[in-house]
Amino acid sequence: DAKTTQPNSMESNEEEPVHLPCNHSTISGTDYIHWYRQLPSQGPEYVIHGLTSNVNNRMASLAIAEDRKSSTLILHRATLRDAAVYYCILSTASGNTPLVFGKGTRLSVIA
Amino acid sequence: NAGVMQNPRHLVRRRGQEARLRCSPMKGHSHVYWYRQLPEEGLKFMVYLQKENIIDESGMPKERFSAEFPKEGPSILRIQQVVRGDSAAYFCASSIIPISGANVLTFGAGSRLTVL
Repeated sequence: DAKTTQPNSMESNEEEPVHLPCNHSTISGTDYIHWYRQLPSQGPEYVIHGLTSNVNNRMASLAIAEDRKSSTLILHRATLRDAAVYYCILSTASGNTPLVFGKGTRLSVIA
Repeated sequence: NAGVMQNPRHLVRRRGQEARLRCSPMKGHSHVYWYRQLPEEGLKFMVYLQKENIIDESGMPKERFSAEFPKEGPSILRIQQVVRGDSAAYFCASSIIPISGANVLTFGAGSRLTVL
């Protein structure tokens, strides 16, 4: 079972920032926080990941709470192409443990 | 550098037939993961393979489903005597080392199986 909790759906206006929350209150000290997204009729794609510090890449930013029990994926300017299901996943550092996908958050972007 | 290649992209089978789905991982990747996505549901892990070895098949149905990743060639997910409930999208992912911690998966575009 997924160890994260996300809202089922969110809506954003085009070209506005989007903050997608994720709760992971049972996170262990060595778990990484990963975000993937799945566009319609496509396979999931990696977005970003982090351990303790906030992270930025060309796709998004990841803000991790100080106690690590929650995190937020930030899309700085949503476009129509960002409409997808976003999955927040914990990845244990122990190895050989497959990623467990929950239901994710379905993001709709309004033009 | 091609990504994870899956074929066929779409497959239609009648009940009782066999379905074979193929996955070629990214170049240099020797770890393959299969996931299944039923309509309107999330992805469910099925099996994790390395070359010639099944590492974790805890998500595989006990009957009719099998997977292999031979020394040469693609990984194959085989479903015997398909039933309507097998209709789903099957995704393959690969990684250069076992998925853990900071390592990420690269997914293919999926194979969509429809059972009539």
